[in-house]
Amino acid sequence: AQTVTQSQPEMSVQEAETVTLSCTYDTSENNYYLFWYKQPPSRQMILVIRQEAYKQQNATENRFSVNFQKAAKSFSLKISDSQLGDTAMYFCATQRGGGSEKLVFGKGTKLTVNP
Amino acid sequence: GAVVSQHPSRVICKSGTSVKIECRSLDFQATTMFWYRQFPKQSLMLMATSNEGSKATYEQGVEKDKFLINHASLTLSTLTVTSAHPEDSSFYICSATGFDEQFFGPGTRLTVL
Repeated sequence: AQTVTQSQPEMSVQEAETVTLSCTYDTSENNYYLFWYKQPPSRQMILVIRQEAYKQQNATENRFSVNFQKAAKSFSLKISDSQLGDTAMYFCATQRGGGSEKLVFGKGTKLTVNP
Repeated sequence: GAVVSQHPSRVICKSGTSVKIECRSLDFQATTMFWYRQFPKQSLMLMATSNEGSKATYEQGVEKDKFLINHASLTLSTLTVTSAHPEDSSFYICSATGFDEQFFGPGTRLTVL
């Protein structure tokens, strides 16, 4: 079974600063994927970043980057130059295999970016 | 990018009635769709996996006779909440798999009076 743990229910950061959201996971799979999704107040789920477990290089998408520590089963998200529009719920998720497999989500972290 | 729509976006119904929610992949074909429910300030809880042309696979604890799922085509899956009760009030979200990625619909807010 796969599990995802997000230990920070809420976080806040000042605009233009950097914040890191934590995520740990557990899986017995050798081939798996890790994701960070953003859910703004509109409640539309938006993919922020995706990491294939077999890739050692950390994924980056503009201001968003991850620190993937496979041995520690840790997958943290760093948001640089935080913007007001980054205010949202952030969910970490894992997926066995890919594509058509189900996603297993953590409980989420509510991030507030303050002006 | 790939777009998934849901209809209706919100619905209010009386206790005891049935409600159907549609999930459509607009510009791609999705062999697999997923249905989630989300309570306020909580995470997404997977209800079932829907594969085109076959019976849905329900997660443990989800009543298949209450939450009927039909995936009749590669672009449409429906969730019918039968004999709805106030405790079924929630936010229902679907996702569709395409291009080796899951794309989420905007969700449907169901309120049962």
